[in-house]
Amino acid sequence: AQKITQTQPGMFVQEKEAVTLDCTYDTSDQSYGLFWYKQPSSGEMIFLIYQGSYDEQNATEGRYSLNFQKARKSANLVISASQLGDSAMYFCAMREGTKLTFGTGTRLTIIP
Amino acid sequence: GAVVSQHPSWVICKSGTSVKIECRSLDFQATTMFWYRQFPKQSLMLMATSNEGSKATYEQGVEKDKFLINHASLTLSTLTVTSAHPEDSSFYICSARDLGIAARSSYEQYFGPGTRLTVT
Repeated sequence: AQKITQTQPGMFVQEKEAVTLDCTYDTSDQSYGLFWYKQPSSGEMIFLIYQGSYDEQNATEGRYSLNFQKARKSANLVISASQLGDSAMYFCAMREGTKLTFGTGTRLTIIP
Repeated sequence: GAVVSQHPSWVICKSGTSVKIECRSLDFQATTMFWYRQFPKQSLMLMATSNEGSKATYEQGVEKDKFLINHASLTLSTLTVTSAHPEDSSFYICSARDLGIAARSSYEQYFGPGTRLTVT
C-alpha cells in the first residue's frame, strides 16, 4: 500500500489564485510528521512546511499553509496568491522515525 | 545556514567504470545523511541512511556492493556507484539532518542540489 498518495499529477492555476495540493498518508505510528517540498526544474528540493502529528494547529509559512486533518489522514498544501515562480513539482513526504517517504508529486503550472 | 553541497553536479561515465559523488554539509554537523535516487518524472526513493562512523543502512532492493556509502566525517558522505551501467543513470540527491538549534524541525532534512549521472 502506498504510504503517501498525491492524486493530482498536474495542475494549472491562474496567477494570483489560491491552490490546494492534495496529500493523503497511511501510517500506524502515533508520532510522525508531514513535509512539503518544492522541486523546480533545476532539481533541488526546497523545504516549504512541516506538520508534526501532535501539532494541534495547522502549520503556516508565509503563503504556504498545511491543512492537516488527522482523522482523514490528509495533509493538503495550500498556496495563497500564487505566483509564476510557484511553477514546479511539489512533493508531500512523511517522516516515520528519521526516514522520509515521498509521494509521486504534483506538477503545478501557474498561468499568467 | 544549513547548506548542503554535492559534487559533481553532473557526470557522464562509461559503462563499467565507477563514479564517486560527494555530499557535504557546509555550515553544520550532520550525524546522519541520506541518499536518494530519482528517475525522470518520478519521486525520490531512499537508497540508504548513512551515520557518521558506522556502516550505512540500505533500503530493501538496493545493492550495497554496488552503491558504496562512506560517512567518514560529520560533514562528508560519499556515494560510489561501482561498475556503473546505463540503468544506473539517474538523479542522485543527498540530504543531511541538522540536530542543532538552527533546524526548524528536529526531523528536517536539508537537501543537496543533486547529481545527474549518465552512464553511456
